[in-house]
Amino acid sequence: AQKVTQAQTEISVVEKEDVTLDCVYETRDTTYYLFWYKQPPSGELVFLIRRNSFDEQNEISGRYSWNFQKSTSSFNFTITASQVVDSAVYFCALSANSGAGSYQLTFGKGTKLSVIP
Amino acid sequence: DADVTQTPRNRITKTGKRIMLECSQTKGHDRMYWYRQDPGLGLRLIYYSFDVKDINKGEISDGYSVSRQAQAKFSLSLESAIPNQTALYFCATSDRTSGGLPGGETQYFGPGTRLLVL
Repeated sequence: AQKVTQAQTEISVVEKEDVTLDCVYETRDTTYYLFWYKQPPSGELVFLIRRNSFDEQNEISGRYSWNFQKSTSSFNFTITASQVVDSAVYFCALSANSGAGSYQLTFGKGTKLSVIP
Repeated sequence: DADVTQTPRNRITKTGKRIMLECSQTKGHDRMYWYRQDPGLGLRLIYYSFDVKDINKGEISDGYSVSRQAQAKFSLSLESAIPNQTALYFCATSDRTSGGLPGGETQYFGPGTRLLVL
């Protein structure tokens, strides 16, 4: 069975601080994909990044960066110099074989980030 | 225009009523999904469809049914709504050919439907 744990339920930071959102996953598959989505207060889900299990290179996109470590089964997300517009709920998700070749997306429970001006 | 649309965006209904939530997409994707989101629980998969003739149950399909009327349309029905079906419902789509290895395709979500069952 697949599982995604986002241990931080809520985080508050002051604007311009850096913040890291943790994601730990469990799967027996050797081939899998990891995703991050952002859900702003308006409610929609916005895709941020996809990473496959064979690519452990860290990814940087502007103020966002992702650290994938297979040794610790973690896929952490860092926002540098946070802004108020970063306030949202962030979901980590895992796509792995759920049986008979069927891949399903398993979501963590989300981390609510509040950036205080 | 949005690539994935959901109607209605908000709905209030009473216990025992039948309701339908609709999802349409212009992305040309073959795969479509229905999820529900409850506070503090993340998203859970209700049903998914890999093409018009392929419908599969997800983690929490009891009390729900679906219909894939066309490649671009996927509807979710609550045959007899109950209060614990109050939630935010999302439709999502993906393209089987876009993900490289199996399971790698990215899912793109609609704006969601807020459902309140009284």
